[in-house]
Amino acid sequence: NAGVTQTPKFRILKIGQSMTLQCTQDMNHNYMYWYRQDPGMGLKLIYYSVGAGITDKGEVPNGYNVSRSTTEDFPLRLELAAPSQTSVYFCASREGQSSYNEQFFGPGTRLTVL
Amino acid sequence: AQKITQTQPGMFVQEKEAVTLDCTYDTSDPSYGLFWYKQPSSGEMIFLIYQGSYDQQNATEGRYSLNFQKARKSANLVISASQLGDSAMYFCAMKEETSGSRLTFGEGTQLTVNP
Repeated sequence: NAGVTQTPKFRILKIGQSMTLQCTQDMNHNYMYWYRQDPGMGLKLIYYSVGAGITDKGEVPNGYNVSRSTTEDFPLRLELAAPSQTSVYFCASREGQSSYNEQFFGPGTRLTVL
Repeated sequence: AQKITQTQPGMFVQEKEAVTLDCTYDTSDPSYGLFWYKQPSSGEMIFLIYQGSYDQQNATEGRYSLNFQKARKSANLVISASQLGDSAMYFCAMKEETSGSRLTFGEGTQLTVNP
């Protein structure tokens, strides 16, 4: 049981390049999330999904896209990378709607856009 | 308006002493949950403790307890008998019933435990 896994761990992009951050969970959680964390700051929600085929915008969705074709996977796509997207990206999942359920976080992807 | 406010960017505590990390929140939902996460320098997010808005008693998990004052909308984290390994960034987060399953995070407090 690996929990939430993210790849890659580190990536450097040039301005205007595109990439996909991968996120997979093996806990059969319906809810999945993408956050970004800028240096010295808290986490901000980019996109989330309440189940396969359903996604919704969070607080800072501009410049990103997501898809959720399976319960396990929730990739985050960056199109036309910009320096403002330099950040650490965390994927998370949780079991259900109940407030009690904690979110389990992946180890993060550190992205630098130069 | 900020939904979660952590007013202490940095805190220092002596090893073996207790420390309180402040968190205030803003919501009009009657049903909500409050979470604390720890982020050590290695970067991972570690769940510490949860308090539900309808919970009658303050949550406790080992050396962690949550001082929940509903009328004041505060949910302070108390760490007893601090250890060097407690040095980390601590985040308070809230889930509101009307926000679906989303968490809103505060800006965090950097705790340093001195030997």
